[in-house]
Amino acid sequence: EVQLLESGGGLVQRGGSLRLSCAASDFMFSYYAMGWVRQSPGKGLEWVSIISESGADTHYADSVKGRFTVSRDNSKNSLFLQMRSLRVDDTAIYYCAKGGTWSFGGNFGSWGQGTLVTVSS
Amino acid sequence: DIQMTQSPSSLSASVGDTVTITCRASQGISNYLAWLQQKPGKAPRSLIYAASSLQSGVPSRFSGSGSGTDFTLTISSLQPEDFATYYCQQYYAYPLTFGGGTKVEIK
Repeated sequence: EVQLLESGGGLVQRGGSLRLSCAASDFMFSYYAMGWVRQSPGKGLEWVSIISESGADTHYADSVKGRFTVSRDNSKNSLFLQMRSLRVDDTAIYYCAKGGTWSFGGNFGSWGQGTLVTVSS
Repeated sequence: DIQMTQSPSSLSASVGDTVTITCRASQGISNYLAWLQQKPGKAPRSLIYAASSLQSGVPSRFSGSGSGTDFTLTISSLQPEDFATYYCQQYYAYPLTFGGGTKVEIK
């Protein structure tokens, strides 16, 4: 069974930085696109970013473009999200999700349990 | 951006009922549509991909249909564990977008 375990969330001040990690196991990590999706308290789901199997291709939501950077280390089965210039409205639970192959990268078949990021003013 | 509109936003139903949730895309997305279930305090769970394909381990009472712009999720014989919020999501184009959710509550 696919396992995705996020870490790195916490409380940070507005304008600060945070790096999220997602440790993947029990599937061929390097064969799949990976993504980040967030959920603000009491709200719906919002896609954040996606990265291709090799890491060569990425896409971002406009709300985070230029501030967030997604990356992966296939040798360590790990996904990362570097978040900079954090805003109060970035406060959310951040989920790591396993996508499909790049043509269907956004088909998120498995999800981690999430990590909470709180940005204070 | 492709807008995903779900209806209704909430519904009340009884155990054993059949429930239908609709999702409409603002432009054609072929069958690049997924349905997700989320229970309070839990991560989302993928139920259906490619509009009508059931994820492994998902009960057969869940079914999806549609193509282009109009899609439906049907839950036959609603079970107590099915009370949750359901989201549709398109993966046809970036940015990936989700519907606003449909909360299925116990009548």
